[in-house]
Amino acid sequence: QKEVEQNSGPLSVPEGAIASLNCTYSDRGSQSFFWYRQYSGKSPELIMFIYSNGDKEDGRFTAQLNKASQYVSLLIRDSQPSDSATYLCAVFDNNDMRFGAGTRLTVKP
Amino acid sequence: DTAVSQTPKYLVTQMGNDKSIKCEQNLGHDTMYWYKQDSKKFLKIMFSYNNKELIINETVPNRFSPKSPDKAHLNLHINSLELGDSAVYFCASSQGQSGQYFGPGTRLTVL
Repeated sequence: QKEVEQNSGPLSVPEGAIASLNCTYSDRGSQSFFWYRQYSGKSPELIMFIYSNGDKEDGRFTAQLNKASQYVSLLIRDSQPSDSATYLCAVFDNNDMRFGAGTRLTVKP
Repeated sequence: DTAVSQTPKYLVTQMGNDKSIKCEQNLGHDTMYWYKQDSKKFLKIMFSYNNKELIINETVPNRFSPKSPDKAHLNLHINSLELGDSAVYFCASSQGQSGQYFGPGTRLTVL
């Protein structure tokens, strides 16, 4: 059974701080890794993807992947109240996308 | 100019009824999916179709039957609805290993 694990939170950070979200996965053969943001009552929205070991930066977001440790993380710099949402980690392998349970992030003004 | 659309947005029905949810994508993607998100917000894959062919069929009751008339459409028919079917159902599409684009969801309530 392929599994994707996330700390469900809630994670609370002050405005302007760095939010760090973590995810581990069980299938060593997994190829692609994604982070989605889901606001309450809305659909998941893709914010980052990463395929290779290392860091990938996009604006205030940085995704980090370590395939040896089967670990992927998302850093959000200069967190804003509008970043308050549930963040879903997803792992893709052969047309099969598996999601973690999500981490709820609250950014306090 | 919606990329992935679903109808209806809300569905309230009695136990034992049969209902359908429709999904369409205009992104030209080859793969489409149905997900169920329960009250605990866990997003679970149900089915995946690639170019109209079923490629993933998770352990869901056979009361759920997907149909893909063409690669832009993936509909979900549910027979004999039960209370436990109440959830939000999301359609999504993707191309290759790129991320998925989700529809707005259909909130199903079974009374």
